[in-house]
Amino acid sequence: KQEVTQIPAALSVPEGENLVLNCSFTDSAIYNLQWFRQDPGKGLTSLLLIQSSQREQTSGRLNASLDKSSGRSTLYIAASQPGDSATYLCAVMLLLILTGGGNKLTFGTGTQLKVEL
Amino acid sequence: EAGVAQSPRYKIIEKRQSVAFWCNPISGHATLYWYQQILGQGPKLLIQFQNNGVVDDSQLPKDRFSAERLKGVDSTLKIQPAKLEDSAVYLCASSLAGSKRYEQYFGTGTRLTVT
Repeated sequence: KQEVTQIPAALSVPEGENLVLNCSFTDSAIYNLQWFRQDPGKGLTSLLLIQSSQREQTSGRLNASLDKSSGRSTLYIAASQPGDSATYLCAVMLLLILTGGGNKLTFGTGTQLKVEL
Repeated sequence: EAGVAQSPRYKIIEKRQSVAFWCNPISGHATLYWYQQILGQGPKLLIQFQNNGVVDDSQLPKDRFSAERLKGVDSTLKIQPAKLEDSAVYLCASSLAGSKRYEQYFGTGTRLTVT
């Protein structure tokens, strides 16, 4: 059974700091890994999606890396801003799914980020 | 393009009462998902539909939870009777199809509080 863990559970940093969020998964036979952002009272917004054949993806100040062999992914946020405050979730899609639902996502528990002025 | 619509946004009920949530997926999306997100945890898939057929309901507590997707568009998720541990955010998502290459798009969710 795939398990996804995110460390730390919560993080508070001053504005302008660079930071790294971690995600680890137990089953390395994944199809892709996705990072989401969740704001209070809002749904999930997809930030970056990394295919299993890729090492990293970049979007603006965000960079996500994937090391499938070690079962790890990191989300790097450069020059953090108060608007980055949110919960960040990683989710993996397994390569093989026995119960049907070819694109089932397994989510981590999330990292709650607060960027202070 | 309109996103995934869910209602209500919030619901407070007493235990043993019934509750229903509604979801309207993105137009043209054949696959619809219901997730449960308990506070401090990641979303957990409850049920997945492909058009109006169930693809995966392995984690749906079928003694109290039910879901339907009539005509392959809108969907409702029902809890009857509710328990305290059902307090959570219920997220609906949709994708073009159930194949791996299609991303899921999420609604804003319904926050349920059971007292």
